[in-house]
Amino acid sequence: GNSVTQMEGPVTLSEEAFLTINCTYTATGYPSLFWYVQYPGEGLQLLLKATKADDKGSNKGFEATYRKETTSFHLEKGSVQVSDSAVYFCALEAAGNKLTFGGGTRVLVKP
Amino acid sequence: NAGVTQTPKFQVLKTGQSMTLQCAQDMNHEYMSWYRQDPGMGLRLIHYSVGAGITDQGEVPNGYNVSRSTTEDFPLRLLSAAPSQTSVYFCASRRTASTFMNTEAFFGQGTRLTVV
Repeated sequence: GNSVTQMEGPVTLSEEAFLTINCTYTATGYPSLFWYVQYPGEGLQLLLKATKADDKGSNKGFEATYRKETTSFHLEKGSVQVSDSAVYFCALEAAGNKLTFGGGTRVLVKP
Repeated sequence: NAGVTQTPKFQVLKTGQSMTLQCAQDMNHEYMSWYRQDPGMGLRLIHYSVGAGITDQGEVPNGYNVSRSTTEDFPLRLLSAAPSQTSVYFCASRRTASTFMNTEAFFGQGTRLTVV
């Protein structure tokens, strides 16, 4: 079956540091890939997505590139802010239109 | 601009009690789903619906029932609550159920359920 593996947190950073969250997946066919973000006390929100190999999704300074050869979709941001403190979920959608989520990575940015 | 609305936000149940978690969306979305979120396990799909009158099981359906009598509403019923159902529950909707349309999922704010 489909699965998503992402690095366990928490990840603690100082403001303006570089952030990387690793995500790898296993899926049949050609899935679409997503990053969702959950701010404290809220539901998940779509952060970015990529629908085919070599696509780069980007939003709010975050980027992730769909790497089919390594089955990865790592999330990066060059300079994080305190407001980026949240839980980040990598997810995929394959045939059957169901989203499969990773376990989530908690990120804490300190001033 | 309500989006996806879940009620209640918090609930404590005794083992064996039943209850219904409510979910409503005002975006005329075809696809609605329920997830539970447990530490380190991400979100796991409980049940989903691709349109009014149509429901199907997800990854962890046991102990839960759903119905979809209208496009807007998708309630989740716990028939006989167990401590293993202590979790945070999220309802989500998407514009279309079509595979690979890559439509964004919109989530409610969640219901934190504790079963004692």
